[in-house]
Amino acid sequence: AQTVTQSQPEMSVQEAETVTLSCTYDTSESNYYLFWYKQPPSRQMILVIRQEAYKQQNATENRFSVNFQKAAKSFSLKISDSQLGDTAMYFCAFMSNSGYALNFGKGTSLLVTP
Amino acid sequence: NAGVTQTPKFQVLKTGQSMTLQCAQDMNHNSMYWYRQDPGMGLRLIYYSASEGTTDKGEVPNGYNVSRLNKREFSLRLESAAPSQTSVYFCASSNGEGADTEAFFGQGTRLTVV
Repeated sequence: AQTVTQSQPEMSVQEAETVTLSCTYDTSESNYYLFWYKQPPSRQMILVIRQEAYKQQNATENRFSVNFQKAAKSFSLKISDSQLGDTAMYFCAFMSNSGYALNFGKGTSLLVTP
Repeated sequence: NAGVTQTPKFQVLKTGQSMTLQCAQDMNHNSMYWYRQDPGMGLRLIYYSASEGTTDKGEVPNGYNVSRLNKREFSLRLESAAPSQTSVYFCASSNGEGADTEAFFGQGTRLTVV
């Protein structure tokens, strides 16, 4: 089974600053999908960004971007110009190409301070 | 557009009682999932179903059963609830592949077993 590791249980950043959340994974597959999900206190799971493994270009969504290093099996999330509303739990997730199991890391709790 | 609907949102059970968590999606997705979320543990996969009529165990299947009743519905049953099953449960569905693939989540069920 694929494993997803988030090594930073908690992080803090000041408003308007940049923060990077780390994620590594383990798989023998060559094509797959990677995701970052945000979970605010409302408990809702919100997709932040996705990356297909066969695409070399790093995905970007407004203030959110990833650094995808396929050989190193690393998938970090960079949040630029952090906002108070970015305070949430962030989960890294792996999905196999067949869409079977979707595995999550343990999460990183991000606090954005004024 | 309802997306993924889970019922109930909250439930308190006594040890030994049984219950079924219901999940339905209206997005014609093939893949459906059940997770439990515990503090510090992230989302752990209980069971998943890659298509109608098929189910597979995830990371923590003990004490649970599932039924993929049809393409829309995927239920999770606790036959004899235990305090260790106190958790927040999430159902999710996915189209499984393609450039726009992602998992959509229900709002979660907070289950307390006393």
